[in-house]
Amino acid sequence: QKEVEQNSGPLSVPEGAIASLNCTYSDRGSQSFFWYRQYSGKSPELIMFIYSNGDKEDGRFTAQLNKASQYVSLLIRDSQPSDSATYLCAVGGMGGGADGLTFGKGTHLIIQP
Amino acid sequence: EAGVAQSPRYKIIEKRQSVAFWCNPISGHATLYWYQQILGQGPKLLIQFQNNGVVDDSQLPKDRFSAERLKGVDSTLKIQPAKLEDSAVYLCASSSTTGFVTEAFFGQGTRLTVV
Repeated sequence: QKEVEQNSGPLSVPEGAIASLNCTYSDRGSQSFFWYRQYSGKSPELIMFIYSNGDKEDGRFTAQLNKASQYVSLLIRDSQPSDSATYLCAVGGMGGGADGLTFGKGTHLIIQP
Repeated sequence: EAGVAQSPRYKIIEKRQSVAFWCNPISGHATLYWYQQILGQGPKLLIQFQNNGVVDDSQLPKDRFSAERLKGVDSTLKIQPAKLEDSAVYLCASSSTTGFVTEAFFGQGTRLTVV
């Protein structure tokens, strides 16, 4: 049974600071890793994906992957109140996003103005 | 491009009744997924279709849930009979199969309340 673990929070971060979200996964065969953002009452939307060890940057977002430690993180720089949402970590297999994803429970992030 | 369409948006039924949800994926997307998201949890994959064939239904409670994707386009998910613990948001998603990493696009979901 694949498992994805996240701290449910809430994680409270002052506006303008860096928000750091973490995720661990159980299946060493996992190959692709996704971060989704979900606003209350809305469906998940993809922020980033990563499949190689190291860092991947996209605007204010940086995803970090360490397969040896089975650890994925998401950094949000210059946090804005609009970043307040639940962030879902998801893990896929060899087929990447075409595989069904295993999601964590999500971390509730609150950006305080 | 038009997104993933789902209907209805909301449904309230009594336990032991049946209910059906409909999903129309993004045009050209061969892969379609149904996820169940219980309040406070992440989405859980129920079933994955590739065109009109089932790829993974290992987490589908087959004694009460069924799904089909006729002609490899639209899909329906049915629950019969419903239980209180089926109260959740049912999310449909679709993705194309080109490339190693593909984005799954989610519909707005159907919020089911079983009373």
